[in-house]
Parts: sequence; C-alpha cells; structure tokens
Amino acid sequence: DTAVSQTPKYLVTQMGNDKSIKCEQNLGHDTMYWYKQDSKKFLKIMFSYNNKELIINETVPNRFSPKSPDKAHLNLHINSLELGDSAVYFCASSQGRAHTDTQYFGPGTRLTVL
Amino acid sequence: AQKITQTQPGMFVQEKEAVTLDCTYDTSDPSYGLFWYKQPSSGEMIFLIYQGSYDQQNATEGRYSLNFQKARKSANLVISASQLGDSAMYFCAMREGNLGQGAQKLVFGQGTRLTINP
Repeated sequence: DTAVSQTPKYLVTQMGNDKSIKCEQNLGHDTMYWYKQDSKKFLKIMFSYNNKELIINETVPNRFSPKSPDKAHLNLHINSLELGDSAVYFCASSQGRAHTDTQYFGPGTRLTVL
Repeated sequence: AQKITQTQPGMFVQEKEAVTLDCTYDTSDPSYGLFWYKQPSSGEMIFLIYQGSYDQQNATEGRYSLNFQKARKSANLVISASQLGDSAMYFCAMREGNLGQGAQKLVFGQGTRLTINP
C-alpha cells in the first residue's frame, strides 16, 4: 500500500546515456512533482504537473523531459546524461486543492553518472 | 535570495531531552505554508508538521510542535522527549501563494543534521 513509489531506487549509468525514472502515486492526488537533491542535500523543485498539465518548469536543462500519461503517474526522462546530473531525484504528490496541500514524497532514486 | 534559512548545520542532543531546530523564512506574500520534513539515513522524506500563515495556534503532531512567530518570521520545530530514532536530517520548507494554480512549489532550507546520543 505504498503511497508514492519510484523505480528504480538506484540507477548507475555512463555519461551520454538516456535514462528514465518512473513515479506512481495511489493517493488520488491531482498534482505531482519532481525534486532534485544534490550532494549537499539541497532540495530544489524541477517540475510540477496538475491533472497531466505542466504547471511548474524551473530552469532545468531541456535534456530533462517529464511526461504524465495520467494523473497518477509522472515519469522523468533524461537525455545525454552528464556527471552533474548525479543526484537523488524525488517524486512527490499533493491534492493541489486543500488548504494544507501537503506534499508526500517517494523514496527517491539515486542516480550516479560515471 | 535565500527564502528559508536553517542556521544549525548540526545538532547533538542527549536522548530524552527536548530539541529545537531553527527555521527563519522570508516572504512578502500574506498567504504561505510552512512544513517540516525528516530525512533519515535511509533517504526517504517524511512529512512531520504543517503551519499555515493564517493559523492562530501553533501546530502540534505528537512529539512535534511548531513554534510559529509570525512577526519574527520564524517557524522552529520542537521535538519533545527525543529518541534515538529521531537522528536524521530535518528540512524546513515554505510554500508561497494560494492554491489557485493547482501546484505550489516548496522552497527548502539547507537542513539540520540532528544526532541523538544515548
């Protein structure tokens, strides 16, 4: 009964490769997010989707492309991976409507680019 | 400009003592929300507590309480009767604005690493 799940948990790949991270939530939320946590533990939002529509797109290289096939899924595809892409990527979801609008996070995907 | 500041990179506390983790924020928006998350060594981000800018009372959730001082723009997390399992990174985060857009980003502080000693 996992609320927000991500696959894979670990991803090790070579520079220049293309990879995808998948995220699914079973909370019935309308909004999903991708955050990046760097090696210094700093968390920063990358994207947000509400009902499959892109709402937030921070200054992220266009090598990163989110895709939301339905409101329960938000995948992240990364082209031409670079060393600096190594980080932990978190998916999150929230109702997008309620006053508190708490974001619930997935377990994270640790991406290592060699 | 840094919007969320956590000035304590690390804290060391004896088990069963109370601990206060500091968080100050900067916003000109009258409507905002403040959150605390815990990140244990296993890596997941666990929601702890929420305080809305219009809430009259300080939020409490079990052993967690939020000392919200609006005029000072501070939202400190207080953990009572600390336990060994409280050892983790703690992040303060702010959500600005109303929910009209359907998605609001969280801006996070740098985090505080809390270590509970037996």
